[in-house]
Amino acid sequence: NAGVTQTPKFRILKIGQSMTLQCAQDMNHNYMYWYRQDPGMGLKLIYYSVGAGITDKGEVPNGYNVSRSTTEDFPLRLELAAPSQTSVYFCASSYSGRGNYEQYFGPGTRLTVT
Amino acid sequence: DAKTTQPPSMDCAEGRAANLPCNHSTISGNEYVYWYRQIHSQGPQYIIHGLKNNETNEMASLIITEDRKSSTLILPHATLRDTAVYYCIVRFASGTYKYIFGTGTRLKVLA
Repeated sequence: NAGVTQTPKFRILKIGQSMTLQCAQDMNHNYMYWYRQDPGMGLKLIYYSVGAGITDKGEVPNGYNVSRSTTEDFPLRLELAAPSQTSVYFCASSYSGRGNYEQYFGPGTRLTVT
Repeated sequence: DAKTTQPPSMDCAEGRAANLPCNHSTISGNEYVYWYRQIHSQGPQYIIHGLKNNETNEMASLIITEDRKSSTLILPHATLRDTAVYYCIVRFASGTYKYIFGTGTRLKVLA
């Protein structure tokens, strides 16, 4: 299993540009999440999904959009990038059945908006 | 929403036990305590979780007080590779399994 994969690893955007951060998991997890982490801070939840076709906002959703058309993929869309979106973005997934709801994290995408 | 409070940083000598405290005084009866760690800028890694009983696995032990208002993560024999930021998280019991991350404890293991 590759686990949770994210692409790209690094990206520099100009203000006003748009991009999509890709996230995929091969563990057949129903639950997927997007977080952002600013320097020296903990992770903040942007959006999450409990299954294909179902998404919901987290703590900091403004400026982002998500979609979940398949169980495996959960892309994060940035429209009109702003310097405040400079951050490291982590995707995660978890099992939705009974028991341990451990979240598995990807390696992150480091985004700089200038 | 139950929040957690952790000391910002701690040092521990290599080979000694590292005891990381966490306060979660507003925790609800059906909310779990989870611990994750983040090494450098990698994605967080699950360590252990518990509800009200003490738990142990190959990585660590988790001690939860009887009133469940605080807990301690114990790394029994810390190594240099345990240097990381450790996050104590209370998992919502609402069914969405969201986490709220605090700023964590930066543990530095000293040679």
